Amino acid sequence: EDQVTQSPEALRLQEGESSSLNCSYTVSGLRGLFWYRQDPGKGPEFLFTLYSAGEEKEKERLKATLTKKESFLHITAPKPEDSATYLCAVQEISPGTYKYIFGTGTRLKVLA
Amino acid sequence: GAVVSQHPSWVICKSGTSVKIECRSLDFQATTMFWYRQFPKQSLMLMATSNEGSKATYEQGVEKDKFLINHASLTLSTLTVTSAHPEDSSFYICSARATQGAGTEAFFGQGTRLTVV
Repeated sequence: EDQVTQSPEALRLQEGESSSLNCSYTVSGLRGLFWYRQDPGKGPEFLFTLYSAGEEKEKERLKATLTKKESFLHITAPKPEDSATYLCAVQEISPGTYKYIFGTGTRLKVLA
Repeated sequence: GAVVSQHPSWVICKSGTSVKIECRSLDFQATTMFWYRQFPKQSLMLMATSNEGSKATYEQGVEKDKFLINHASLTLSTLTVTSAHPEDSSFYICSARATQGAGTEAFFGQGTRLTVV
């Protein structure tokens, strides 16, 4: 069964304290892995798409990496405005369907 | 980036009435749209996948007669919650996947907070 597991569930960081969020996945064939950021009461905001092991994407203080079994979202020198829930999703290679399987997210709190 | 607009942002309705939520892709064509439900501090629960011009595919346990989905054009999908009850109160979010383009990522609307009283 396809699964996406994110860890930790919650993370508190001091401003400037770098860390990484983990997304482990199990799919028979990966079409893509996606990272989103969600603020309370809002819809998820797209961050990155990764397609193959070894791929990396960067945006400001965020860097996403991918292996055959997991993805990491590295946050460098975070600021309070980076506080949000970060969601990981995978899309399986399957004819005729484009469903996304979401993890339960990591709630990040960055303290000033 | 691609923009998906969801309306309304919040709605309060009386028990037994129906509520329609719209999801529009503003700057791209979306063959496939998804409807999710999200409970507090939980992840997204996929309710159904809708493809333009065809019937929606509902996930197991989702009542298709209660949650009516219509995807009449490449830029618009609607979710109608029929005969709403307090247990239908939740945060509903749509997303749309572009028909064309390099990525297969989906873009989300702002969400609709439904409260049934």
